[in-house]
Amino acid sequence: SAVISQKPSRDICQRGTSLTIQCQVDSQVTMMFWYRQQPGQSLTLIATANQGSEATYESGFVIDKFPISRPNLTFSTLTVSNMSPEDSSIYLCSVQGRGAYGELFFGEGSRLTVL
Amino acid sequence: AQKVTQAQTEISVVEKEDVTLDCVYETRDTTYYLFWYKQPPSGELVFLIRRNSFDEQNEISGRYSWNFQKSTSSFNFTITASQVVDSAVYFCALSVPEGSQGNLIFGKGTKLSVKP
Repeated sequence: SAVISQKPSRDICQRGTSLTIQCQVDSQVTMMFWYRQQPGQSLTLIATANQGSEATYESGFVIDKFPISRPNLTFSTLTVSNMSPEDSSIYLCSVQGRGAYGELFFGEGSRLTVL
Repeated sequence: AQKVTQAQTEISVVEKEDVTLDCVYETRDTTYYLFWYKQPPSGELVFLIRRNSFDEQNEISGRYSWNFQKSTSSFNFTITASQVVDSAVYFCALSVPEGSQGNLIFGKGTKLSVKP
């Protein structure tokens, strides 16, 4: 399994500001995935971050709101832009195990509270 | 459309009791994958098991066991002799090849509280 580190682990943000979450993996991976977990809810995939190409966003998520960078095979960032209280969530970075449709391994998440 | 239903929102048991967490899934695909994850209070999601649709064998791992039944579209998870450390939210998830590779469809989770 991969070791995934996320920063920050938690933050309190003001409405209208933006915050960038970093994700570092201890091995090279082709795809990295960003999930959101709203309070008391399940997890939803935001986007897939591929190295060297634009991220692929799921329905309901757009690049202007959640820009993603993937500068190399071990690192990615997710920015939550122009935050509102509805963006208060846990944001999780994940990578896939071996083989297509393998299990996902998750970081500890970044818990954001927007006031 | 794919869907995962975990009807039990919260379960509370006393230590050493057995407990079963239910998971019912919906998909029209014949090839799919099912997962269980544990999310302790710390927040990290811990992978427990992955099962593909062609493997209906039940699995046992220590105190954990899983019962996969395609006839009822269920993939239930049983913890035997529960312990306080089992207290967590447990998620069942589904993925299909037609979707994005990393797109797991998660259920809403079952919060398990094990009291001493």
